[in-house]
Amino acid sequence: NAGVTQTPKFQVLKTGQSMTLQCAQDMNHNSMYWYRQDPGMGLRLIYYSASEGTTDKGEVPNGYNVSRLNKREFSLRLESAAPSQTSVYFCASTAGRSGNTIYFGEGSWLTVV
Amino acid sequence: GDSVTQMEGPVTLSEEAFLTINCTYTATGYPSLFWYVQYPGEGLQLLLKATKADDKGSNKGFEATYRKETTSFHLEKGSVQVSDSAVYFCALNTGNQFYFGTGTSLTVIP
Repeated sequence: NAGVTQTPKFQVLKTGQSMTLQCAQDMNHNSMYWYRQDPGMGLRLIYYSASEGTTDKGEVPNGYNVSRLNKREFSLRLESAAPSQTSVYFCASTAGRSGNTIYFGEGSWLTVV
Repeated sequence: GDSVTQMEGPVTLSEEAFLTINCTYTATGYPSLFWYVQYPGEGLQLLLKATKADDKGSNKGFEATYRKETTSFHLEKGSVQVSDSAVYFCALNTGNQFYFGTGTSLTVIP
């Protein structure tokens, strides 16, 4: 059962470098999400895609861009990484209706030095 | 706007102790409510959920009841084990929007 798969699991970047976090789900879900998790702050929504072809900003979108490549894939790009973007990033997906469970990937640990 | 407030941790209990983690919510509509668990180095996993008032979600000995009158969804377990050590998140869902609490860290000592 693959579920939600995200890559890479670990990455170290230098300030100013760019990178893309990849996410794919095999549950035919409509909605996909990117969260970041920081100590003491819980989960904060970066961007989400309610359905294929749409994306919307969440609580903390600055410094990030996203692409909903198709129904399965939703990528997160850091154009010019900053130390404040050091975090654990989680991709998630859900069918998109009230009461549906949201499923999470295993996380990507990103360090910006 | 919609939000979730959960008990701050960390919580430390002895094995076989009773667990309660409080969660209250604010919502304009009729949300679904969830508890998720996160083990070290992993993503969040669904523990239980309830989709309407008075529903009780249960799984692995954990229970929570959707109380509309008190806007609460408290997590309980009668006898915790060392393997229950994790971070627990309360969450609210309306449509395709999810709102998470800040998490409560639980450590169970033998």
